[in-house]
Amino acid sequence: EVQLVQSGAEVKKPGESLKISCKGSGYSFTSYWIGWVRQMPGKGLEWMGIIYPGDSDTRYSPSFQGQVTISADRSISTAYLQWSSLKASDTAMYYCVRHVKTTVVNYFDYWGQGTLVTVSS
Amino acid sequence: SYELTQPPSVSVSPGQTARITCSGDALPKQYAYWYQQKPGQAPVVVIYKDSERPSGIPERFSGSSSGTTVTLTISGVQAEDEAEYYCQSADSSGTYVVFGGGTKLTVL
Repeated sequence: EVQLVQSGAEVKKPGESLKISCKGSGYSFTSYWIGWVRQMPGKGLEWMGIIYPGDSDTRYSPSFQGQVTISADRSISTAYLQWSSLKASDTAMYYCVRHVKTTVVNYFDYWGQGTLVTVSS
Repeated sequence: SYELTQPPSVSVSPGQTARITCSGDALPKQYAYWYQQKPGQAPVVVIYKDSERPSGIPERFSGSSSGTTVTLTISGVQAEDEAEYYCQSADSSGTYVVFGGGTKLTVL
């Protein structure tokens, strides 16, 4: 059974750093892209970026380029989303997703349970 | 930047047919996908590659494509179908993923 299990909720202050995780199981972790999707409170879904754990190829949405860092440790089948300096506007639910990707196919067939990040002074 | 446009809301009575549209210039070149999200839950894909239905998704969910518009159709809507529905696709090069703004389906 494919599973993506994310780390728990976080409460942080503005300016602090944060790294959240997503552990994949039940499939070959290095054979699928892993992505991150943001959902701000009461708002829609936003694609942030993806990483291919097989070779660490990483792509970012222009909206999130330079704002976050996506990484992966294939030895433990885990992907990460990292901030160096959080802002209140980073308050959101963050989902990791398994990304089925070819030149014409791009979708998310499995979703993690989400990690709620709250940034408040 | 590339955008997908959905109506903010659709309302239907139980047993009726709900149709949710999504429009975007690159849809003739890229497949579309539909996700259902209920409150407090992660989204679930209900249609992939325009019209394919994943295993476990009821047959009342179907998808179609015509030019720059794709449509999610829910036949015989049930109360449990009340949710937010998002379309998703990619830009014409397949590089950047994009979501529509979401459509709130209300079952009256």
